[in-house]
Amino acid sequence: AQRVTQPEKLLSVFKGAPVELKCNYSYSGSPELFWYVQYSRQRLQLLLRHISRESIKGFTADLNKGETSFHLKKPFAQEEDSAMYYCALRRITQGGSEKLVFGKGMKLTVNP
Amino acid sequence: DAGVIQSPRHEVTEMGQEVTLRCKPISGHDYLFWYRQTMMRGLELLIYFNNNVPIDDSGMPEDRFSAKMPNASFSTLKIQPSEPRDSAVYFCASSMGGTVELFFGEGSRLTVL
Repeated sequence: AQRVTQPEKLLSVFKGAPVELKCNYSYSGSPELFWYVQYSRQRLQLLLRHISRESIKGFTADLNKGETSFHLKKPFAQEEDSAMYYCALRRITQGGSEKLVFGKGMKLTVNP
Repeated sequence: DAGVIQSPRHEVTEMGQEVTLRCKPISGHDYLFWYRQTMMRGLELLIYFNNNVPIDDSGMPEDRFSAKMPNASFSTLKIQPSEPRDSAVYFCASSMGGTVELFFGEGSRLTVL
């Protein structure tokens, strides 16, 4: 089955601490992965995608095909990083349709 | 652009009633997606459209659910009859060219009593 797993539902850290939000996937083809974020009272929005290999708001994520992981990392968390984070996998079905499959999400709380 | 617009934002109804959720995608976007979010199952894709044509409805839970997109600027998700287990937040999202970047609405929170 092709799925995305976010093994932790909650993560609470203090400001300035490093954070790592875990994401594992299973996919038979060449994976394309994304991180979406939902801040309080805001819409779900794209944070970054592995193809871009970019750092957004200090966050980075590296695709590790050997470990089938796409963990999101930030060396020094800020209070404004508190949000729900969703890992997503772009999946192409045998019928040719494309879907974005989301993990169940993880709530990050950064305390002052 | 105001982004993807969904209505109503909140709906409370009784079991057996018909529910219609509405979505206006971002102008110029050619893909529209309906997702359902619950605590147990997270975000699930229900159906998506490309150029107003339904492409994949394999996520629609059962015949009680139906979705239409009569034109490029409007889509509806209908539940008839509604059941308590349909209680969830329903998101509409639109994009240009596929699933590279989805733009989400604020969601419609449905409670079926």
